Amino acid sequence: GNSVTQMEGPVTLSEEAFLTINCTYTATGYPSLFWYVQYPGEGLQLLLKATKADDKGSNKGFEATYRKETTSFHLEKGSVQVSDSAVYFCALSGSRGSNYKLTFGKGTLLTVNP
Amino acid sequence: DAGVTQSPTHLIKTRGQHVTLRCSPISGHKSVSWYQQVLGQGPQFIFQYYEKEERGRGNFPDRFSARQFPNYSSELNVNALLLGDSALYLCASSSARGEETQYFGPGTRLLVL
Repeated sequence: GNSVTQMEGPVTLSEEAFLTINCTYTATGYPSLFWYVQYPGEGLQLLLKATKADDKGSNKGFEATYRKETTSFHLEKGSVQVSDSAVYFCALSGSRGSNYKLTFGKGTLLTVNP
Repeated sequence: DAGVTQSPTHLIKTRGQHVTLRCSPISGHKSVSWYQQVLGQGPQFIFQYYEKEERGRGNFPDRFSARQFPNYSSELNVNALLLGDSALYLCASSSARGEETQYFGPGTRLLVL
């Protein structure tokens, strides 16, 4: 079945540092890939997505590229802010015909210190 | 436009009781999904409904059931609550069959004592 493996956290960075959160996946066919962010006490917000190989999703300075050859979708940001402190989830949806559910990784807690 | 809304925001129940959680999707969205998020873990898929029909079911016991109404809102029901059912229950909506981008509500936090 489908699965997502995320970099273990927590990750602690200083403001303006470079961020990478690794995500690899196992899936049949051609899934779509997502990053969601969860702030304390809240639900999940869609951060970015990519629907096919070599697509780059981007939003609010965050980027991730769909790499089919390495089955990866690593999240990056050039300069983090204190307000980026949250839990980040990598997720995939199944290929056509089975894309009714999202499979999530365990999440990576990011703390950014001033 | 309003996002996905869920009620109640918090709930405390005791073992063996029944609970009903409610969700209203984004206006125009016809598909609703339910996920359970245990503390420190990623969300786990429970159900998806599209046009009032169950489209998918995750690996959850029969104590969990759901339905979707003509206005596309949805209810998740859990019978015979166990301590392990304590979690954040998330509802997500998407616009159409085959649209895999899901938008989440704030969740209902259930505590079973």
